[in-house]
Amino acid sequence: DIQMTQSPSTLSASIGDRVTITCRASQSIRNWLAWYQQKPGKPPKLLIYKASDLQSGVPSRFSGSGSGTEFTLTISSLQPDDFATYFCQLYNTYFTFGPGTKVDI
Amino acid sequence: EVQLVESGGGLIQPGGSLRLSCAASGFTVTNNYMNWVRQAPGKGLEWVSVIYSDGSTYYIDSVKGRFTISRDNSKNTLYLQMNSLRAEDTAVYYCAREKGSTGAFDYWGQGTLLTVSS
Repeated sequence: DIQMTQSPSTLSASIGDRVTITCRASQSIRNWLAWYQQKPGKPPKLLIYKASDLQSGVPSRFSGSGSGTEFTLTISSLQPDDFATYFCQLYNTYFTFGPGTKVDI
Repeated sequence: EVQLVESGGGLIQPGGSLRLSCAASGFTVTNNYMNWVRQAPGKGLEWVSVIYSDGSTYYIDSVKGRFTISRDNSKNTLYLQMNSLRAEDTAVYYCAREKGSTGAFDYWGQGTLLTVSS
């Protein structure tokens, strides 16, 4: 099975900060990676798919990059609505989620 | 508008059975790849099962032989039959649609809570 790691586990940031979250896979998954945002009591919301494609309706301050084993989610200028937990997720026959990164103030 | 609404969760004793439902609207369940994803209280997300448009099904190892995913075309509804339930199955269960063949889930239900406890 392919293992996913995500860093950092917690990130303290301020409004306007540039935020970067990294996800690493234990073997190459090409670009089969997605990023989600989740707020308490709500389902996850798809932000990025195929490593770098922005989901419709998601603000352009979110971007994804990477391929193979290392991937990055970047928020160019953190907004109040962005304080949440972010998960990466790979697809390789099955689906595996990373452990999550909580972004707080 | 695409919508997914789960139901069927509740409190069940270990060893018991329960069936979750996910009623879909705005698209056809049969023509899409449909999944169940769960989240234990305060924990991360765990994919559970998928049913593809061709009817093939896959499960995470921990539920193989105990859970069965299915769909009802006439009701446009996805199901998860869960047998031999364990305490570690306690979680919010979400149904989710895969976005085309991208490996990503673009629509999620609000979730239904299953608690397995005596």
